[in-house]
Amino acid sequence: NAGVTQTPKFRVLKTGQSMTLLCAQDMNHEYMYWYRQDPGMGLRLIHYSVGEGTTAKGEVPDGYNVSRLKKQNFLLGLESAAPSQTSVYFCASHFAGANVLTFGAGSRLTVL
Amino acid sequence: KQEVTQIPAALSVPEGENLVLNCSFTDSAIYNLQWFRQDPGKGLTSLLLIQSSQREQTSGRLNASLDKSSGRSTLYIAASQPGDSATYLCAVLSGSARQLTFGSGTQLTVLP
Repeated sequence: NAGVTQTPKFRVLKTGQSMTLLCAQDMNHEYMYWYRQDPGMGLRLIHYSVGEGTTAKGEVPDGYNVSRLKKQNFLLGLESAAPSQTSVYFCASHFAGANVLTFGAGSRLTVL
Repeated sequence: KQEVTQIPAALSVPEGENLVLNCSFTDSAIYNLQWFRQDPGKGLTSLLLIQSSQREQTSGRLNASLDKSSGRSTLYIAASQPGDSATYLCAVLSGSARQLTFGSGTQLTVLP
């Protein structure tokens, strides 16, 4: 099925551990985004990419790194997880020139 | 910096009632405004997108209006059903970086 797939769906980390969230889309979208959603707050943009090999910082990039080595994949990395990074992470994508985003189902991360 | 506010944070109505959800934004220089639906534990689904030059968009029982000059949008849901129960988020696309800024959402419960 076409869409945006996020892995893993759930993860529990200890402070200081590292991990990578994978976002994969099979719609040939140029633009891809990583957001975090916290209770009582809207989604906040972490990083985004407008094409293969490009990335840019969003509103809350500190503590995260990203890579877009292949057009269909956008990876979000936490090098040294902190409890403040406990959140639900969403990936989204769309075609260049089109503004309707397709979202993944989310990845729930807990940092103890 | 663009800020998006949605009031109320939660709303409970009896089935069959018509209702209005509100969204306000601080910077009227937007490209478009979108309304999303989010079901518990799921990603976001785009409902309606209104371009900055448009006044409203309709899809089935949903009607979204945009008053850019006053920084407001409303989502009208006609003849509400229990299946409409979800969190509704609005988001505006603005700025030189063309980034989406989300509101924190209105959690709607439609009682049978």
